Amino acid sequence: EPEVTQTPSHQVTQMGQEVILRCVPISNHLYFYWYRQILGQKVEFLVSFYNNEISEKSEIFDDQFSVERPDGSNFTLKIRSTKLEDSAMYFCASIGREGTDTQYFGPGTRLTVL
Amino acid sequence: QKEVEQNSGPLSVPEGAIASLNCTYSDRGSQSFFWYRQYSGKSPELIMSIYSNGDKEDGRFTAQLNKASQYVSLLIRDSQPSDSATYLCAGSGGGYNKLIFGAGTRLAVHP
Repeated sequence: EPEVTQTPSHQVTQMGQEVILRCVPISNHLYFYWYRQILGQKVEFLVSFYNNEISEKSEIFDDQFSVERPDGSNFTLKIRSTKLEDSAMYFCASIGREGTDTQYFGPGTRLTVL
Repeated sequence: QKEVEQNSGPLSVPEGAIASLNCTYSDRGSQSFFWYRQYSGKSPELIMSIYSNGDKEDGRFTAQLNKASQYVSLLIRDSQPSDSATYLCAGSGGGYNKLIFGAGTRLAVHP
């Protein structure tokens, strides 16, 4: 069964550094999402992406964040200058064909900012 | 502010019992509701979706939705130790809208 994949599984970075988290959504899926989950807290929406542009973004998704679909398969989340509070699990999700709204989540990337 | 509320638990049930998980939501515009299971350190895994008032059954799981009361529940019959996890309730405006998650209820099924 097709799955959403994410790399790396764990990223450790120094505060102020740029990180890029990568996702490969399920092939032929149309809508893509990033969520994050700070340890012990709820899963929070960051951004949705469709047809090569942002559909919606949350207050968390400020100018330090950006998303891109650089080719036909990858979907990336970039954090330009990481802060300690960016430490979290970041999940990518995607939705497939028209008429369905079930989001399938990738395994996540654990980001640790030191 | 659109909210989804869940009792954080832990909810402890003996093996073989019925576990009942509850969720309320604030946005009357929500159309779609989902139950995800999350093991520690892992990503959310879809258990069930529900869109209409009433019950929806899938194996040992039954989801219930009451839009008038803005209430969603999940029943797990014949609970197994492998069901021990955090259960996340999520609502959506439908279609390709974002999911709004509750904080999750931790379920512990003891032998």
